[in-house]
Amino acid sequence: DSGVTQTPKHLITATGQRVTLRCSPRSGDLSVYWYQQSLDQGLQFLIQYYNGEERAKGNILERFSAQQFPDLHSELNLSSLELGDSALYFCASSVATGGPSSYNEQFFGPGTRLTVL
Amino acid sequence: AQSVTQLDSHVSVSEGTPVLLRCNYSSSYSPSLFWYVQHPNKGLQLLLKYTSAATLVKGINGFEAEFKKSETSFHLTKPSAHMSDAAEYFCVVSLFSGGYNKLIFGAGTRLAVHP
Repeated sequence: DSGVTQTPKHLITATGQRVTLRCSPRSGDLSVYWYQQSLDQGLQFLIQYYNGEERAKGNILERFSAQQFPDLHSELNLSSLELGDSALYFCASSVATGGPSSYNEQFFGPGTRLTVL
Repeated sequence: AQSVTQLDSHVSVSEGTPVLLRCNYSSSYSPSLFWYVQHPNKGLQLLLKYTSAATLVKGINGFEAEFKKSETSFHLTKPSAHMSDAAEYFCVVSLFSGGYNKLIFGAGTRLAVHP
């Protein structure tokens, strides 16, 4: 158990809909990262938040957005869903002081499996 | 640019035989490297990490990896495979750029272990 929790575990929805995925980081971790894992694209970094502020963006679509709240939990919002958005969405957290500490490993949650029909 | 190449998409071994999962990286400076494992329908778990201390890194469950700068490799090994090792393994390089830490994942190697 990494200490990172994600809800829900599974989500089935229809095209055009909007969903929200939730992540609670490990106690004491200030950074939250979101990843998408699909069969054709592999693991892709979407976005990072550090202590409530957006820190970095990866391959995140404009239809997707995220935020990190004062209690450090994070939500990933996916809107106007398409069939191709079906994937496993992972949240990870790290201590990440924000400096060049690239050895700060990330701890991953169990993921949310999104199926768009 | 930093990148990671996992040389085998699938590896199949018999229980009790050695495991070798190959990874090459490309980095313009001394990298931090990780191996993560993903069991079916589970999240990613850190196996081990290299952070420029010892070049031979020991991880959990009997895995180890050796950082070889001259070969730009970070291969993962285990002397004796167990059925529970069947999973997908990701070699990862970390870089600090633009004020944040970013992980770059390899495509993954699926390890099958046969009785």
